[in-house]
Amino acid sequence: IVLTQSPATLSLSPGDRATLSCRASPSVSSFLAWYQQKPGQAPRLLIYDASKRATGIPARFSGSGSGTDFTLTISSLEPEDFAVYYCQQRSNWPYRYTFGQGTNLEIK
Amino acid sequence: QVQLVESGGGVVQPGRSLRLSCEASGFTLTSYGMHWVRQAPGKGMEWVAVTWFDEDNKYYADSVKGRFSISRDASKNRLYLHMNSLRVEDTAVYFCARGDSPRPYYMDVWGKGTTVIVSS
Repeated sequence: IVLTQSPATLSLSPGDRATLSCRASPSVSSFLAWYQQKPGQAPRLLIYDASKRATGIPARFSGSGSGTDFTLTISSLEPEDFAVYYCQQRSNWPYRYTFGQGTNLEIK
Repeated sequence: QVQLVESGGGVVQPGRSLRLSCEASGFTLTSYGMHWVRQAPGKGMEWVAVTWFDEDNKYYADSVKGRFSISRDASKNRLYLHMNSLRVEDTAVYFCARGDSPRPYYMDVWGKGTTVIVSS
């Protein structure tokens, strides 16, 4: 399974709405996660099963989609949200875990 | 507090071996699937290996299959990654990550990582 994220870089300002895309080929049903990674840190799980927020994740983060097209939305950007975001899925037999190439969300 | 701490990274010559360790605290390792994930300098995330809760199911990325081996010591609550026949392209930060379930789809807790540099 291949995950393609777009755009590669997204330049926005605090307070803006961010929309990040992840396209899967072939379909992954709803088994998709989103992670946030800041420089020098490990990734943090944000969203799993396409739309469920992980523990402690603010409500401004939301996920949607199923099948092949998925979206991570940040409703109003906070300064701490500028980071790299990855989508990830698991394929069934052979069991493999795949990450998208990432979207760099940068301050405009 | 749930925590993962990796160790064992370093500089190693191509063709040599290295063993990474991940100490888990705040939860029982054998109740979860556990992953190794790596990130080459300036690159994205690459999944390396997973062991499901029962250790009967271990899966590897094609790039490391036959060279790397994942294992667990339940008595020490530790996860390991045995890396043989190392290549320059294995240079990366290696993260230990807890799976979200015994047969995981995702990674819900991550360590800070340990750096492996393969160079002559």
